[in-house]
Amino acid sequence: TQLLEQSPQFLSIQEGENLTVYCNSSSVFSSLQWYRQEPGEGPVLLVTVVTGGEVKKLKRLTFQFGDARKDSSLHITAAQPGDTGLYLCAGLHSGGSNYKLTFGKGTLLTVNP
Amino acid sequence: EAQVTQNPRYLITVTGKKLTVTCSQNMNHEYMSWYRQDPGLGLRQIYYSMNVEVTDKGDVPEGYKVSRKEKRNFPLILESPSPNQTSLYFCASSPRLAGVSTDTQYFGPGTRLTVL
Repeated sequence: TQLLEQSPQFLSIQEGENLTVYCNSSSVFSSLQWYRQEPGEGPVLLVTVVTGGEVKKLKRLTFQFGDARKDSSLHITAAQPGDTGLYLCAGLHSGGSNYKLTFGKGTLLTVNP
Repeated sequence: EAQVTQNPRYLITVTGKKLTVTCSQNMNHEYMSWYRQDPGLGLRQIYYSMNVEVTDKGDVPEGYKVSRKEKRNFPLILESPSPNQTSLYFCASSPRLAGVSTDTQYFGPGTRLTVL
């Protein structure tokens, strides 16, 4: 089983602060996905990064894929209470008949007003 | 509306009483999967299906069965539920486009199962 280590597990910050969540593995992935999950709902895809070194921005969220495609980070600038939720990274192994998505344990973010 | 539906959303049952959680998607997706989510353990894959009549074990398949007789449906069967199967279950589907590694997984709303 390929493992994805996500850190920190819990993060509680004040509105306006910046934060970074990390996702690390010893495995190389075809792509890496970030999801956000709200209480009582299923995860919803935020972004997919595919190329080593790739950086994608989604408003105040910046996602980066490591050069070796083994790790990724999510940076949130000027966090807002609406950013509160569980953030999950997931590494995809895809090729031929192989198709497996492995999830990290998640980072529970609370942004206090 | 494109969606993944699960039923029931909540279920309380007793040890040993067979149950089925249904999952259906209306997006003509090839790939479907079941996960369970537990505090401190994250999302773990139970079974997945690459296409009709093609299923395979995920990371935690013990105590579960699945079937994929038609493309849109992927039921999860617990033949003899036990308390350690108390969990939040998610069904997901994706198109699994050949040669594409950017598939989006669409998750259902979840089924909260309690086994007494």
